[in-house]
Formats: sequence, C-alpha cells, structure tokens
Amino acid sequence: AQSVTQPDIHITVSEGASLELRCNYSYGATPYLFWYVQSPGQGLQLLLKYFSGDTLVQGIKGFEAEFKRSQSSFNLRKPSVHWSDAAEYFCAVGPSTSGGSYIPTFGRGTSLIVHP
Amino acid sequence: EAGVVQSPRYKIIEKKQPVAFWCNPISGHNTLYWYLQNLGQGPELLIRYENEEAVDDSQLPKDRFSAERLKGVDSTLKIQPAELGDSAVYLCASSSTGRTEAFFGQGTRLTVV
Repeated sequence: AQSVTQPDIHITVSEGASLELRCNYSYGATPYLFWYVQSPGQGLQLLLKYFSGDTLVQGIKGFEAEFKRSQSSFNLRKPSVHWSDAAEYFCAVGPSTSGGSYIPTFGRGTSLIVHP
Repeated sequence: EAGVVQSPRYKIIEKKQPVAFWCNPISGHNTLYWYLQNLGQGPELLIRYENEEAVDDSQLPKDRFSAERLKGVDSTLKIQPAELGDSAVYLCASSSTGRTEAFFGQGTRLTVV
C-alpha cells in the first residue's frame, strides 16, 4: 500500500525567505504525486501535480516541486514566501485505477508559519 | 465552473444523535470521494464512488456510517448514532475520468458534544 511521510509538522519562515517542504512516499510503481494547500476552515486546493515527464513541475502561486525517484521524494519549494502562504500543506500519492480515477493518500501535513 | 458544494458547513450535535452531510460534485465528475480529516491530520478516505457504485468502502465504519449516491450525482454521508470521536471535518471531493486530480469542497465540521 502507498504511504506518504511529511517529516516536518511545523515550518516557520520569515516573509521573503525561501521555503522547502519535504515529502517522502512509498509506492511500488511510478507514483502520481500531488501537493495541496489548506487554509483555515477551507477545503484543499491543488497546488501542483506530477504524473510523468519533466521531474520539475510548476504550480500555482509560485510553487514548484521536484520528483526524485532515487530518494522517493517530492519536495515543495518557493523562492520567496508571502504572508498569505501561511497554511497547511499536504503531500499526496495516488495510483490510478482501472476506472481511470485515482485514490489520493495524504500525508499528515506541514503547517507553515510566516513571520513578518 | 462551480466547485464541489458541501452542506452544512458546521454542525453541532449531541452524542447518540444522527447526522447527515450532503455533497454536490462538479458537474460531469463521475468519481466522488468522502474523506475524514481529524484535527492536525491529513484526510483519510472513507468511501469512493464511481458513478452510483461504491467501489472502495473498506475504511467506512459500517456499524454507524452509511453513504449513498443516488443517480450518480449528489451524495449523502450519514452517521447514526454519532459518537464523541466522530468530531472531525468531513470532506467531499470529485474527479472525472481522464483527469486525475481531485477537487475538494470546503468540508463540514462536525462537533459531537
């Protein structure tokens, strides 16, 4: 069964600083990988996704993530954090199914705190 | 395009009472998911529908939880009777065949007192 580990429960950065959120996955085949963001009281919004091809993927809000098969990692990065980026970030892995959909399995999340 | 709509947004009930959550997925999305999110945790899948068929409900506590998706569109998730430990956020999501990302609703926050 697939699983996701987000080793950092909380990350604190200063506004304008760079950011990297870690994600490690366990899956037997080539995974589908996702990063979602959740603001307080809101649902999950997709930031970016990786299916195949270029291992560096660009997402919304200036985020990017790099798939590294050798390290089973899919870390999320942003060169300059804004105060509005403070939220909960979830990494997810999901295989496809015969029906063409997938079943995302989520990590426990990393809470991003941004200091002014 | 309207997103996934869930209602109610918040619900407070006494233990042993029944409760129901409603989800309207994005139009045309044949796959519908119900997730449970406990405080400080990531979402955990409860049940997945492909059209009207529940194809993955192994994590649904069937002694008290039930779900249905009539006509392959809207879905309801019911708990009867509710327990204190059911306090959580219940998220609904949908996706379409050929597109693998899931779109989430804002969730229903349940508090059982």
